[in-house]
Amino acid sequence: DAGVTQSPTHLIKTRGQQVTLRCSPISGHKSVSWYQQVLGQGPQFIFQYYEKEERGRGNFPDRFSARQFPNYSSELNVNALLLGDSALYLCASRRAQGNEKLFFGSGTQLSVL
Amino acid sequence: AQRVTQPEKLLSVFKGAPVELKCNYSYSGSPELFWYVQYSRQRLQLLLRHISRESIKGFTADLNKGETSFHLKKPFAQEEDSAMYYCALAGAGFGNEKLTFGTGTRLTIIP
Repeated sequence: DAGVTQSPTHLIKTRGQQVTLRCSPISGHKSVSWYQQVLGQGPQFIFQYYEKEERGRGNFPDRFSARQFPNYSSELNVNALLLGDSALYLCASRRAQGNEKLFFGSGTQLSVL
Repeated sequence: AQRVTQPEKLLSVFKGAPVELKCNYSYSGSPELFWYVQYSRQRLQLLLRHISRESIKGFTADLNKGETSFHLKKPFAQEEDSAMYYCALAGAGFGNEKLTFGTGTRLTIIP
């Protein structure tokens, strides 16, 4: 079982740039969520996608966007990066919506300079 | 608005002593509460959820709606329990997808 895979593991960008983070869910999982974890804080919900449709959005600016592909993988895009976007970005997947166990990836560590 | 509060950032307990990690929540509806754990160099993973009423690795947690608490307990701490623990709450309408996490408690078991 490969688990949820995220790429890249680490990324360094400068202010104003754009970044794309990628996530592959566990095989058979159709739901993907994204979380941002700032140092010293718990993960904060950004987006949820199920069957390629956005099903939930957290309190993040429009600079943050995401999509889910037919193979259920997902990308998170962040435009016009700010220093405050520096964080660990976690992807999580589950088979379907409802009361199912959520599996997290190892995350992408984004540093904005 | 939903909120999860973990008042202790750090907690040190001697091996064999009881452990209690505190979690309080604020939510207007009927909550679903979870405990997640992250061991060193491992991924965030589900430890237990209140609807399952199960005991995992000797840990239990009871949802107290009167006190809006979901404290995590273990009667005898083991060294392998050292980890970061997050309490989380599921909001309505997303099928438990949108989790609101607390800031976490780092538990250290002293040999």
